[in-house]
Amino acid sequence: EPEVTQTPSHQVTQMGQEVILRCVPISNHLYFYWYRQILGQKVEFLVSFYNNEISEKSEIFDDQFSVERPDGSNFTLKIRSTKLEDSAMYFCASRKDREYGYTFGSGTRLTVV
Amino acid sequence: AQSVTQPDIHITVSEGASLELRCNYSYGATPYLFWYVQSPGQGLQLLLKYFSGDTLVQGIKGFEAEFKRSQSSFNLRKPSVHWSDAAEYFCAVGPYGNKLVFGAGTILRVKS
Repeated sequence: EPEVTQTPSHQVTQMGQEVILRCVPISNHLYFYWYRQILGQKVEFLVSFYNNEISEKSEIFDDQFSVERPDGSNFTLKIRSTKLEDSAMYFCASRKDREYGYTFGSGTRLTVV
Repeated sequence: AQSVTQPDIHITVSEGASLELRCNYSYGATPYLFWYVQSPGQGLQLLLKYFSGDTLVQGIKGFEAEFKRSQSSFNLRKPSVHWSDAAEYFCAVGPYGNKLVFGAGTILRVKS
């Protein structure tokens, strides 16, 4: 069964540093997403990406965040200057079209110290 | 406003007993409905989804869910729980715009 692959599985970074979280969506999927889950809280939507541009973003997704699909296979989430409150599990997801379910990756646990 | 409610934060059932996890939502039209399961430290695995058609949907691992429009509910059921079913279960509804909205999750504990 096709999978969404996320790397790394766990990243520790110092406050103020930049981090890039990487995702390889399923190859024939067209819609790409980042969600996050702070420990003990709900899974929250961050951003959706379609046709090489952001289609929707949440209030959480401020100027410190950016997404990119640099080469047609990878989908990255960059946090420019990490804060302690950015510590969370970050999930990448993709879907083929509106009639398909969202497939989630196994997540990257980001710890900001 | 869009919302998904999972009223039970924790549920404990005995192995072999039946299970029902509740999910209620608010949405302006017929939604797409999903149940995901998350084992500790793991990702979100899709159990089942409803888009249209038969309101009783079958998923993986012996789970099923029933969409009841009149009650705005999409409850997850399993006739006989196994110890390996212990995990956190999330109901999700969408698309709101282009995204899913998740409930707060229900932690299932299975006692032997």
